[in-house]
Amino acid sequence: EAQVTQNPRYLITVTGKKLTVTCSQNMNHEYMSWYRQDPGLGLRQIYYSMNVEVTDKGDVPEGYKVSRKEKRNFPLILESPSPNQTSLYFCASSPSGVYNEQFFGPGTRLTVL
Amino acid sequence: RKEVEQDPGPFNVPEGATVAFNCTYSNSASQSFFWYRQDCRKEPKLLMSVYSSGNEDGRFTAQLNRASQYISLLIRDSKLSDSATYLCVVNMGYGGATNKLIFGTGTLLAVQP
Repeated sequence: EAQVTQNPRYLITVTGKKLTVTCSQNMNHEYMSWYRQDPGLGLRQIYYSMNVEVTDKGDVPEGYKVSRKEKRNFPLILESPSPNQTSLYFCASSPSGVYNEQFFGPGTRLTVL
Repeated sequence: RKEVEQDPGPFNVPEGATVAFNCTYSNSASQSFFWYRQDCRKEPKLLMSVYSSGNEDGRFTAQLNRASQYISLLIRDSKLSDSATYLCVVNMGYGGATNKLIFGTGTLLAVQP
């Protein structure tokens, strides 16, 4: 089944404890991106990647890192999480960029205490 | 001015009603326009792409007005299952930002029996 998977789906952690949210797609898509969704603010793009080893900042990259070593994986890293990073995170992929349908993962609900 | 603006609603309509949503965007160079549907805290899913000539898919019609910089979504014969949040999505079309997508905060539709 064609899909985007994210892990973990739910995570409660404490301030400063490094964490990684994994994202994987099995559709051979070139474009992948991360979003966070907060009430009243909608989805905001954190980082995106046009292809392997190519990443770019979105609108809210502060406090996040990403890497794209393989086409299928695009992990989101929070080196030192803070409470303002408590949010619902979505990973998405598409065949070649913003002109195509974005396929979203199921979301990761992160709480930073 | 927000880059993409939507009326948050909620729109409460009876089954069978026709309802229309508008979305305005600020960047005249934007090229890609979409409507996504999001059920409560689940991942967004593509409802329709929006083309210059307008497009229709069953009970749903999407239109683009470049002169006034807005897109619209019309839902005819509303069903209970149409209850969801509808997200307007536009790419940023200037400079090096053509690969970024901006999501509206969404319009909540509640179809009543």
